[in-house]
This record gives sequence, structure tokens and C-alpha cells, in this order.
Amino acid sequence: QVQLQESGPGLVKPSETLSLTCSVSGGSVSSDYWSWIRVPPGKRPEWIGYLYHGGSPSYNPSLKSPISISLDASKNLFSLVLTSVTAADTAVYYCARYSATTQTPDNWGQGTLVSVSS
Amino acid sequence: EIVMTQTPLSSPVTLGQPASISCSSSQSLVHSDGNTYLSWLQQRPGQPPRLLIYKISNRFSGVPDRFSGSGAETDFTLKISKVEAADVGVYYCMQATQFPRTFGQGTKLEIK
Repeated sequence: QVQLQESGPGLVKPSETLSLTCSVSGGSVSSDYWSWIRVPPGKRPEWIGYLYHGGSPSYNPSLKSPISISLDASKNLFSLVLTSVTAADTAVYYCARYSATTQTPDNWGQGTLVSVSS
Repeated sequence: EIVMTQTPLSSPVTLGQPASISCSSSQSLVHSDGNTYLSWLQQRPGQPPRLLIYKISNRFSGVPDRFSGSGAETDFTLKISKVEAADVGVYYCMQATQFPRTFGQGTKLEIK
């Protein structure tokens, strides 16, 4: 069973950069797709994007803040960077393995709450 | 992007009774490869979402057969044959036919 764990700051100031890391155990980031999803308070989940090792990332064009997802195979982790964040980026952020078979995130981290506030 | 709409938003159910959640999409979810990428996820209180059903009706590993999915094109249903206390939580449908992937607004299942 693949296990994922998010880490990063719980509070970010508006216009600054949010960086989150997802550590993977029981699996390798060199295979499968790896994704980020967020759930703003009181709202539905929002797809951020995903990445396959050696492939180009796919991002949600509806998100206003610039996004970058990357893999570090040497450390078996993947990362999310959002720049110029606003209060609208406040959410619980989840990393997940995205299965090509089910076309759904099928293994999720516990999630980490990120608040954007001055 | 495809908009997913769930009904009801809240579903009080008696233990042992069935429950049903509907999900409709603003466009057909039939992919050019012939598959329909509609999934159901469960989020218990304090837990991350968990995959229950994928491609309309396929139960994910370890999911009890009390859960079943059906539907086609733009209208889909998740059914729980006999609700148990462990089923309390929020249920989401998700489409993966088009980018960006999108989710329904969630249905809260609670025990009467």
C-alpha cells in the first residue's frame, strides 16, 4: 500500500509563494501519476494537476495562481508550488497517487491545511 | 469545464436502510476511447477522500459490495444497499473524461 504525507507551511502571506512536498513510501514516484487536489473551506474539491515521471505536467487552467508540480525521484517525493497566492488559495491540500487504470486518485495523503492571510 | 451536480446535498438515512445519491454532468462523460470516467469517492470525518467506484460501476479494491454504481452519459447513481454507521461522511462524484478533472459539490450522508 502506497503511503503519502504532505508537508509545508500552515500559513502563507498574500502575494507570497506556497510550497508543499509530498513524501511517498511503499511506491516509487518514477512510476504512476502523482497529483495534487485541494478542498477550500465549504467548497467542493478542486483538481490542481498531476505529473508523470518523464512527462509534462497537466495543470488546471481555472486556477488563478501560477502552479508548478515537480518530481524528485532521488528523494521519492513530489512538490507543488503556487506563486502569488491570495485568500482564495486557502484550502486543505492533498497529494495523491493518480491511477491510470481507474483514472482517479486512489491513494491519498492525510492532507494539510494552508491558510493565506497577512 | 464539465460541471458536476449532485443531489441531494444531504441524506439522512436509517441504519440498515438503502441510500442513493445522484450525480449529473453538464456534458456526456463518454471518452473517445469508449470508456466513461465517472468515479465516486467517500470522505469520512477527519479522513482524506477514499476511492469507492471507478468507471461508473467498478468497485475499487477492498470496497464492500454494499456499494454499487450505475448510469451512463450524463446521469449516474451511487447506491448503498444497507447503510452502516461507518458510511457516514461526504460522498463526491468526479469526472476524468476531460481536463480539468472536476468534482461534484458533495452529498453528506448522516444517520437519522
